Amino acid sequence: GAVVSQHPSRVICKSGTSVKIECRSLDFQATTMFWYRQFPKQSLMLMATSNEGSKATYEQGVEKDKFLINHASLTLSTLTVTSAHPEDSSFYICSARDPQVSYEQYFGPGTRLTVT
Amino acid sequence: ILNVEQSPQSLHVQEGDSTNFTCSFPSSNFYALHWYRWETAKSPEALFVMTLNGDEKKKGRISATLNTKEGYSYLYIKGSQPEDSATYLCASYSGAGSYQLTFGKGTKLSVIP
Repeated sequence: GAVVSQHPSRVICKSGTSVKIECRSLDFQATTMFWYRQFPKQSLMLMATSNEGSKATYEQGVEKDKFLINHASLTLSTLTVTSAHPEDSSFYICSARDPQVSYEQYFGPGTRLTVT
Repeated sequence: ILNVEQSPQSLHVQEGDSTNFTCSFPSSNFYALHWYRWETAKSPEALFVMTLNGDEKKKGRISATLNTKEGYSYLYIKGSQPEDSATYLCASYSGAGSYQLTFGKGTKLSVIP
């Protein structure tokens, strides 16, 4: 099946710094990628939809200036958490749609962010 | 039902036992229902995508059914093995937007050897 990589798998940063997370589709071109966040014992919550070559669409309550998304190519989307705070500590996971395969989304392994 | 709900939250079964768990989803504006298997430190693995009422799909010892009129899906595992231990996620798609999925919290299965 299709493979999506995500880096880094874990990151610890200090409050006030920015962190960039990369999501890559390795063997297909993804016109659409999704970014989710999961807090402990909660479900995966969609943060934003990233379309190649255009601005991301953010879900209600997600600050677009804090969570910068760039989808500059068909195989790479990045999520930058700017001026991170401890409350941004969470598990972030991306998925990518292969337009050649109906319905399916392929997930990366996720990134555990800890802000100290 | 406004959200996707899964039950139970977790369960432990003995190796060789069969088990099943439930996913409830909004029956209005239904388009597709996904099941994923998620092992720790790995990517969620797609198991099934189901769209039709009454649909039943099977993959080895795992099968799933779908009732779109009442808004539920069952996942069955026959003869559980330790390697089946994982969190099983379901997610629904309502047909809106660019295929955004709404996830349940998952059912964490532990199979005891």
